[in-house]
Amino acid sequence: QVQLQESGPGLVKPSETLSLTCTVSGGSISSYFWSWIRQPPGKGLEWIGYIYYSGNTNYNPSLKSRVTISVDTSKNQFSLKLSSVTAADTAVYYCARGGFTYAYNYYFYYMDVWGKGTTVTVSS
Amino acid sequence: DIQMTQSPSSLSASVGDRVTITCRASQSIRSYLNWYQQKPGKAPKLLIYAASSLQSGVPSRFSGSGSETDFTLTISSLQPEDFATYYCQQSYSTWTFGQGTKVAFK
Repeated sequence: QVQLQESGPGLVKPSETLSLTCTVSGGSISSYFWSWIRQPPGKGLEWIGYIYYSGNTNYNPSLKSRVTISVDTSKNQFSLKLSSVTAADTAVYYCARGGFTYAYNYYFYYMDVWGKGTTVTVSS
Repeated sequence: DIQMTQSPSSLSASVGDRVTITCRASQSIRSYLNWYQQKPGKAPKLLIYAASSLQSGVPSRFSGSGSETDFTLTISSLQPEDFATYYCQQSYSTWTFGQGTKVAFK
């Protein structure tokens, strides 16, 4: 059974770079998409971006200038870097597996396995 | 960007009620629509993918329908463990979530 675990600093100073890692256990990181999603306190979910195991990425346009997602297949990990953070980046950050199903000549994508989330606070 | 709008934002219901949540896309997303359930302090859980396909292990009282711009999540008989917040999410282009619908106890 695939499990995901986020790790990284819980406190980041304004203007610095937030760095998180998601470790995939119980399965290979190959052949899937790997996403980051965040949720500010008391608010809804915001998709940050995903990376395909081969390295192709897709980012939320509103965050694209500050986001980098990378993958390390040898470690079965993928990572998030968010630069120039402000208090608005305070949130619970989730990593998730992007699964897909082929039907009716289309690939359908969804996030079917999630980490438990890690809280990141931006404060001096 | 494709905007996803859920309605209502919140609702109150009783155990055994039939509950319907609507999600509207700002443009056609074919059937690239997923539904998630989130309980307080927990990660979201996938319920429905591709608009109407039930994720493995999800009770059959959950169902999804719709295509193009209008989608519905239905809980046929609300159970105590179903009180939660529900999100739709499109995967047609850069992914986006709806704002969420909180299902509370009446």
